[in-house]
Amino acid sequence: DVKVTQSSRYLVKRTGEKVFLECVQDMDHENMFWYRQDPGLGLRLIYFSYDVKMKEKGDIPEGYSVSREKKERFSLILESASTNQTSMYLCASSHYQSQHFGDGTRLSIL
Amino acid sequence: DQQVKQNSPSLSVQEGRISILNCDYTNSMFDYFLWYKKYPAEGPTFLISISSIKDKNEDGRFTVFLNKSAKHLSLHIVPSQPGDSAVYFCAASEVDTDKLIFGTGTRLQVFP
Repeated sequence: DVKVTQSSRYLVKRTGEKVFLECVQDMDHENMFWYRQDPGLGLRLIYFSYDVKMKEKGDIPEGYSVSREKKERFSLILESASTNQTSMYLCASSHYQSQHFGDGTRLSIL
Repeated sequence: DQQVKQNSPSLSVQEGRISILNCDYTNSMFDYFLWYKKYPAEGPTFLISISSIKDKNEDGRFTVFLNKSAKHLSLHIVPSQPGDSAVYFCAASEVDTDKLIFGTGTRLQVFP
């Protein structure tokens, strides 16, 4: 069974902090994705990666960066956290279109 | 511009009856469509999918219908059960890409 693990379920940070969200998958999937989920807006793609050291911007990349040094790990970085980045963050991995999600990180920026 | 739209934010259905969740899309390049279910405090889980070469796909109580001319798909759940209460997202992808575009979700509540 595919397992996508996000390092934290809940996280509270302050504005201006650099925040790291970690995601690990155990199925050797090439593709990994970061989304944020907000009420009434659904899931919006922040960044995705098709391979190690490769990344592409999604629909809302502003204020975020990513890192994929190993195939199983995909990190989302908030360079300087702001209150409008308070959200539920979801990581996913896939081999084809069917994506498998982690349980999410609820991030609050104070 | 929202390429995948779920116009009903919520739906309430009695247990045992049919639930019909709807989804509209605007991009004619979409060739694969999926439905995900999400419980609170959990990540979305894959439910059922359909390729654009089909107009129906069935898996147990769940059936997805695709009407390409109307750019519309629907998810039918019959009979509905209380455990089906969740948020349902439809998603779509274009040819030769694994990137998904998600709708805004419909919250389904199944009451006894």
